[in-house]
Amino acid sequence: GAGVSQTPSNKVTEKGKYVELRCDPISGHTALYWYRQSLGQGPEFLIYFQGTGAADDSGLPNDRFFAVRPEGSVSTLKIQRTERGDSAVYLCASSPGRWSPLHFGNGTRLTVT
Amino acid sequence: AQRVTQPEKLLSVFKGAPVELKCNYSYSGSPELFWYVQYSRQRLQLLLRHISRESIKGFTADLNKGETSFHLKKPFAQEEDSAMYYCALSLSGTYKYIFGTGTRLKVLA
Repeated sequence: GAGVSQTPSNKVTEKGKYVELRCDPISGHTALYWYRQSLGQGPEFLIYFQGTGAADDSGLPNDRFFAVRPEGSVSTLKIQRTERGDSAVYLCASSPGRWSPLHFGNGTRLTVT
Repeated sequence: AQRVTQPEKLLSVFKGAPVELKCNYSYSGSPELFWYVQYSRQRLQLLLRHISRESIKGFTADLNKGETSFHLKKPFAQEEDSAMYYCALSLSGTYKYIFGTGTRLKVLA
């Protein structure tokens, strides 16, 4: 019944640490996206899943970023060796199909100190 | 390169005045365009898409391929329209959506 759920809503971590951000999409939505939004900017595409596979990960900024969706539902965005520049709001969105509009979660605000 | 440009960071209008939020895009393929809105303390949500050619909450947007624009318009602004508005472009043949930097609309009483 609920919309896209993202946890945690806020995450503060120290530079160099590892973080995981979770996204629980709307039930039945096969498409799942991760976006990153920095202050004063629009959402920036990171990665797209269709089912379990990453159909397009061209937006991941470097190899410190990785995302999985092992059962085609919940997805986890993983960031290794965090840097201060990773601080942003990380948005997850899902949709029922390829040409359907996106349903966004509330985002996870990541702060790297 | 594909790009969505929203030239105004902030637009302030008085209640009852017309409002136009500008959006221009750069894309060589067949564009599909959207407007998303984020009200205070709410999540980003779809407002309208060009292929639907519908009016939502009094807002309309027409795709002008000649001018590569998709401006959002409303004849009489209301205070509850105050929000952040993002124009988005869906790239044909891919799953990517490219967002503009957004325009904050403030409707003054």
